Amino acid sequence: GQNIDQPTEMTATEGAIVQINCTYQTSGFNGLFWYQQHAGEAPTFLSYNVLDGLEEKGRFSSFLSRSKGYSYLLLKELQMKDSASYLCAPMDSNYQLIWGAGTKLIIKP
Amino acid sequence: IAGITQAPTSQILAAGRRMTLRCTQDMRHNAMYWYRQDLGLGLRLIHYSNTAGTTGKGEVPDGYSVSRANTDDFPLTLASAVPSQTSVYFCASSPGQRSTDTQYFGPGTRLTVL
Repeated sequence: GQNIDQPTEMTATEGAIVQINCTYQTSGFNGLFWYQQHAGEAPTFLSYNVLDGLEEKGRFSSFLSRSKGYSYLLLKELQMKDSASYLCAPMDSNYQLIWGAGTKLIIKP
Repeated sequence: IAGITQAPTSQILAAGRRMTLRCTQDMRHNAMYWYRQDLGLGLRLIHYSNTAGTTGKGEVPDGYSVSRANTDDFPLTLASAVPSQTSVYFCASSPGQRSTDTQYFGPGTRLTVL
């Protein structure tokens, strides 16, 4: 079956760095997306990885290892506005996104 | 402003009633999707449409129907609502058909079925 595993909740301090891990099993693979979702709002796109390695985009970076079925999202210089849920979503062979339950990130001053 | 709109924003509905959730996009995207999001679960795909005139079933289609008469609109209908359909419903769209294009989400509809 298809399965996504990511931590339910994480806490970090403003200005610090946090890494949110995601492991996945899907029927085929067409890349992996990360979305951010603030409470009561819609998910918004953060990153897409299809090849192994690290993709950097400002304070956010995303890593993929296809052989290990593993990805992480790295957030640097944390700001209070980064408090949100982060959704890991690999895409299967039918081009459908398989969504994890999300990691709620709490930023403390 | 380009994007996706959904209506209503929220709704309380008696069980057994019929309800249509509206979704409109003005980005001329080919593909559109309906998801539901429940606490502690990932987004689950209800129905999708790769292009106008075609629709497909997702992971949890039972109790829901959709139509795609044109590119812009993708309404979701609950023929006879049940309490288990209480959820937040998101409509999304992406430019291509069956592609790795990014999906863009509407603001959501919060539906409560009593």
